[in-house]
Amino acid sequence: EDQVTQSPEALRLQEGESSSLNCSYTVSGLRGLFWYRQDPGKGPEFLFTLYSAGEEKEKERLKATLTKKESFLHITAPKPEDSATYLCAVQAGGATNKLIFGTGTLLAVQP
Amino acid sequence: KAGVTQTPRYLIKTRGQQVTLSCSPISGHRSVSWYQQTPGQGLQFLFEYFSETQRNKGNFPGRFSGRQFSNSRSEMNVSTLELGDSALYLCASRLQGVTDTQYFGPGTRLTVL
Repeated sequence: EDQVTQSPEALRLQEGESSSLNCSYTVSGLRGLFWYRQDPGKGPEFLFTLYSAGEEKEKERLKATLTKKESFLHITAPKPEDSATYLCAVQAGGATNKLIFGTGTLLAVQP
Repeated sequence: KAGVTQTPRYLIKTRGQQVTLSCSPISGHRSVSWYQQTPGQGLQFLFEYFSETQRNKGNFPGRFSGRQFSNSRSEMNVSTLELGDSALYLCASRLQGVTDTQYFGPGTRLTVL
């Protein structure tokens, strides 16, 4: 069964303290891995799409990487405005285009 | 370019009633997917529509249904509401390619009393 597991569930960082979020997946034929950011009461905001192992993408303080079994979201020198829930999702092979989501990592960055 | 819009943003209903939620995709996007988000289950796929046809359906009861119009706008309907249907319902639109990114709307918060 296709599955996505994110860790840790929650993470508290001091401003400027870099860290990484993990997304482990089991999927039959990965078509794409997606990272989203979600603020309370809002819809998920797209961050990155990764398609193949070894791929990396960066945006400001965020960098996403992908291996055959997991993805990491690296946050460098975070600021309080980076506080949010970060969601990982995979799109499996086959006829369906649905996204399978992990339960997310709640990140709190304290000034 | 305007993002995905959903109406209404908030809705309160009682058990047994039915509800219709609306979604307008990003201009030019032809695929619309619906997801349910709850604290216990996270984000779960409901269904996807492309060119007015349902292409995929998640593991939800038949009380959940949807449709898509010729202008790509979509509606989802939940009949005979139950307390457990309280959730944030999210709509996502995609250009059309199988690996195109899905962009989400702000959601409709449904509370069933």
